[in-house]
Amino acid sequence: KNQVEQSPQSLIILEGKNCTLQCNYTVSPFSNLRWYKQDTGRGPVSLTIMTFSENTKSNGRYTATLDADTKQSSLHITASQLSDSASYICVVSAGTMNYGGSQGNLIFGKGTKLSVKP
Amino acid sequence: ETGVTQTPRHLVMGMTNKKSLKCEQHLGHNAMYWYKQSAKKPLELMFVYNFKEQTENNSVPSRFSPECPNSSHLFLHLHTLQPEDSALYLCASSQGGQGTFEQYFGPGTRLTVT
Repeated sequence: KNQVEQSPQSLIILEGKNCTLQCNYTVSPFSNLRWYKQDTGRGPVSLTIMTFSENTKSNGRYTATLDADTKQSSLHITASQLSDSASYICVVSAGTMNYGGSQGNLIFGKGTKLSVKP
Repeated sequence: ETGVTQTPRHLVMGMTNKKSLKCEQHLGHNAMYWYKQSAKKPLELMFVYNFKEQTENNSVPSRFSPECPNSSHLFLHLHTLQPEDSALYLCASSQGGQGTFEQYFGPGTRLTVT
């Protein structure tokens, strides 16, 4: 069964500190992995998309890693800010690499709720 | 701003009411989606439209009825809902298939069924 598991469920850190969020998946065939940031009461916003051949990708203070062998990904946040308080959702796309106009299948994790305190 | 707008942002309705949610994308995308997000559960895909044609319906109850008059607009018509339908309803769009292309989400409509 295709699944995406995220840990921890929630996390509280102090402003300025670093943190790492985890995502483990059992999805086959694998197409790509995405991290989204979702502020409370808003829609998710994409942070990174990584394909099978990419093992690290950065977006400002956010760095995502992917280990396709162990089926694990992490999202590292450097020098956290109060505005980083949000839920972070890991999403894995199941399907062949060249899916063309077809939909593929997105498997969503439940998210990690991050609170950054002053 | 992601280029995807949703109205209304909040909606309270009784179980016998009929209401509609509206989504509009200004990105020139060909695919649009409705998702349901309930507390402590992953996003659930409800409907997918490609070039105005419905290509996916994930066993959604008939009290939810989608409509896509063109590639830029998507509606979700609601009638005789249940309290368990209370959730955040998100619209999204993408250039092509969701498996390959990035999705852009709207801000959502917070629905409360009383």
